[in-house]
Amino acid sequence: AQKVTQAQTEISVVEKEDVTLDCVYETRDTTYYLFWYKQPPSGELVFLIRRNSFDEQNEISGRYSWNFQKSTSSFNFTITASQVVDSAVYFCALTGGGNKLTFGTGTQLKVEL
Amino acid sequence: DTEVTQTPKHLVMGMTNKKSLKCEQHMGHRAMYWYKQKAKKPPELMFVYSYEKLSINESVPSRFSPECPNSSLLNLHLHALQPEDSALYLCASSQDRRPEAFFGQGTRLTVV
Repeated sequence: AQKVTQAQTEISVVEKEDVTLDCVYETRDTTYYLFWYKQPPSGELVFLIRRNSFDEQNEISGRYSWNFQKSTSSFNFTITASQVVDSAVYFCALTGGGNKLTFGTGTQLKVEL
Repeated sequence: DTEVTQTPKHLVMGMTNKKSLKCEQHMGHRAMYWYKQKAKKPPELMFVYSYEKLSINESVPSRFSPECPNSSLLNLHLHALQPEDSALYLCASSQDRRPEAFFGQGTRLTVV
């Protein structure tokens, strides 16, 4: 069975602060894929990143960075210099390569002025 | 163009009504999905179509009936729904051999 845990239900920060969203996963698959999605109030789930289990290289995309550590089964997401537009629910998700995504419960991020 | 289009955006229906949700993608993706999302919960998978054939049905009640007329279209037919079926219904698609799914904006369904 697969499981994704996002222990942070809600995080509030002031604009320009850095914030890290935690994601811990469990899987018995040797090959798997991890994802982060952003869900603004409009409802659409926006794909942010995919990480393959065999590629532990961290990634940076603008103000976003991701830290994948197989040793601790974690795939954390950091937003640098947060902005009000970053306010959304963020989901971490996992799949073993089939068509079924296992989502975490989501972290509500609120960025205030 | 990574766009999945869902119509309608909002739908209110009575428990005796029949309605359909529509989803369209023109990215050449061969897998399409229906998810249901209740407020403050993660999306839950309902159905998966792969190459226009139903490959996964997550024990969804028969009052939800999916249909995949062609590789670009996915419908969800609704009949005799209950108020607890009120939710955001999300359609998604993914490319063959690439696991990331791209989602539409969803249909906010209210059953009265």
